[in-house]
This record gives sequence, C-alpha cells and structure tokens, in this order.
Amino acid sequence: KQEVTQIPAALSVPEGENLVLNCSFTDSAIYNLQWFRQDPGKGLTSLLLIQSSQREQTSGRLNASLDKSSGRSTLYIAASQPGDSATYLCAVRQAGTALIFGKGTTLSVSS
Amino acid sequence: EPEVTQTPSHQVTQMGQEVILRCVPISNHLYFYWYRQILGQKVEFLVSFYNNEISEKSEIFDDQFSVERPDGSNFTLKIRSTKLEDSAMYFCASSASLGGNTEAFFGQGTRLTVV
Repeated sequence: KQEVTQIPAALSVPEGENLVLNCSFTDSAIYNLQWFRQDPGKGLTSLLLIQSSQREQTSGRLNASLDKSSGRSTLYIAASQPGDSATYLCAVRQAGTALIFGKGTTLSVSS
Repeated sequence: EPEVTQTPSHQVTQMGQEVILRCVPISNHLYFYWYRQILGQKVEFLVSFYNNEISEKSEIFDDQFSVERPDGSNFTLKIRSTKLEDSAMYFCASSASLGGNTEAFFGQGTRLTVV
C-alpha cells in the first residue's frame, strides 16, 4: 500500500531564505506527483505536477524535482516571502484515479 | 480562470440526518472526485466518477455514501445518517483526463460539522 511522508512537518524561516520541502513515497510505480498549497481552512491549490517520466518542473519561484526510483520529490522555494506561509501537500497517483496525500509541511515565513 | 465550486462552504447537521454536498466541476472536465480531510489528518480519497458511474472508491466510501451527477453541471455527495466522525472538510475535485500530465483541480471545500 502506497504511503506518502512529508518531512519536516513544520518549518519556520525568515523572509528571503531559499528552502526545500521533502516528500517520499514507498511505491515507485506512480503516474505522477502533484504539489499543492493549502491555506488554513481553505481548499487545495495545485502548484506543480510532475509526470513519472520527468525529473523536474518549474513555476516562478517554485521548482519541484522527482526521483522516482528512490521514491522522493522535493519542492524548492526560492526567496521565500510571508505570503508563502501555508501548508504544502504532495500527492501521488498510481494506476487508478486516486491521489494519495502526505500530511503536509506547514511553512511559516516571517518578515 | 475555471474553478471547481462547492456549496455550501459550511454545513452543520444533527447526527443521524442526511446531508448533500454540492459541487460544480470545471466545465470540460470528465473525471470527478470527492476527498475528505478530518481536522489535523491527511486528505483522503473517497470516490471517483466517470461517465455516470463510480470508477474507484476507497474503504471509507461505504453504503452510507453515494454520489450523483443529476444534471450536466452538478456533482453531489450524499451522506446518509451522519455520524460524529463524519465531521470533516469535504473536497470536490475534477480533471480533464487520467493522463500522466493531467492535474486534478480542487474546490474550496465544504466544512461539515455533525453535532
């Protein structure tokens, strides 16, 4: 059974720092991996999707990498801002339709 | 920008009552999903729906739950005889296809509180 783990559970950084969020999954047979942002009490906003054949995707200050064979993905946030404060979730899709989520990393960026 | 819309944003119901959560997926999407997130826990898959039938469901999605696409735009989740442990945020999502390059887009959620 696929398990998705995100480390750390929480992270506090000063504004301007570059940071890395980690996601690991136990079964490497995935179709894709998606990173989401969740603000408190709100829905999930899709940030980046990486297909299983890809190594990385970039969107603005965000860069996500995927090492399928080792079951790992990272989300790199450059020059962090207070507005980046949120919970970041990763989710994988295997054969089938369901996304399997990690518990998330709650990021706090102080000004 | 197209978005998934959910109503209501918050629903309070008494234990044992039936609730219907409503969603309007993105208009050209073909796959629809329901997920839930109990406070402090992971987002969990409930069910997926395609071509007017359930494609996949999790162990959570038992006979208490049902889904329906009553018309060309709405997608609903019905929870019969609600229990306290059904209190959670329920998210609807949709995607255009199941291809590896296809993102799932989520709504803002309905917070269900069972008292």
